[in-house]
Amino acid sequence: DAGVIQSPRHEVTEMGQEVTLRCKPISGHDYLFWYRQTMMRGLELLIYFNNNVPIDDSGMPEDRFSAKMPNASFSTLKIQPSEPRDSAVYFCASTQRTENTEAFFGQGTRLTVV
Amino acid sequence: LAKTTQPISMDSYEGQEVNITCSHNNIATNDYITWYQQFPSQGPRFIIQGYKTKVTNEVASLFIPADRKSSTLSLPRVSLSDTAVYYCLVGGFWGYSTLTFGKGTMLLVSP
Repeated sequence: DAGVIQSPRHEVTEMGQEVTLRCKPISGHDYLFWYRQTMMRGLELLIYFNNNVPIDDSGMPEDRFSAKMPNASFSTLKIQPSEPRDSAVYFCASTQRTENTEAFFGQGTRLTVV
Repeated sequence: LAKTTQPISMDSYEGQEVNITCSHNNIATNDYITWYQQFPSQGPRFIIQGYKTKVTNEVASLFIPADRKSSTLSLPRVSLSDTAVYYCLVGGFWGYSTLTFGKGTMLLVSP
């Protein structure tokens, strides 16, 4: 397996534009997590899915952020409209539902909103 | 969720053994202790996981005392490439807890 795949790796956009980040989890994993990382706030959990269903989105900062998982092999995180304070590295991770398994992270998407 | 506390940073030299301790006073009975490593510009990577006593793999050892209120990640003979942020996580079945990261410990290994 190629691991968790995120795209794009880098995204530069203007304030007010819509941004869509994509994630392909490892096949067979039934949990998917979205994180945001900044120097100030560290690694923040935004939302996680189980079997394509959003379980906890309490970490989503505001209504401008939305996440979907239309099937087991694809998820998106959308920001509309984007703001400069959304600039961060966004990570996606996937894992299986057993008590002692590791989570696998993608390489991240570095988002810059100017 | 069990809260974890670990040092913000640590310094070491190549070839030394490094021990990073994590406190988790309110760990639950079914919680596991997991450590991740993160290099700059990369996602976190699993290092080791344990429930009690001692666990060892090719990368590190994890020591957990009987009361499980703390744990120590031991990195033998560190090299420059071990410079990274190390996170301690406590949790059990994903249905009960989430993969929540704290601030981590920034380990700097010098020549």
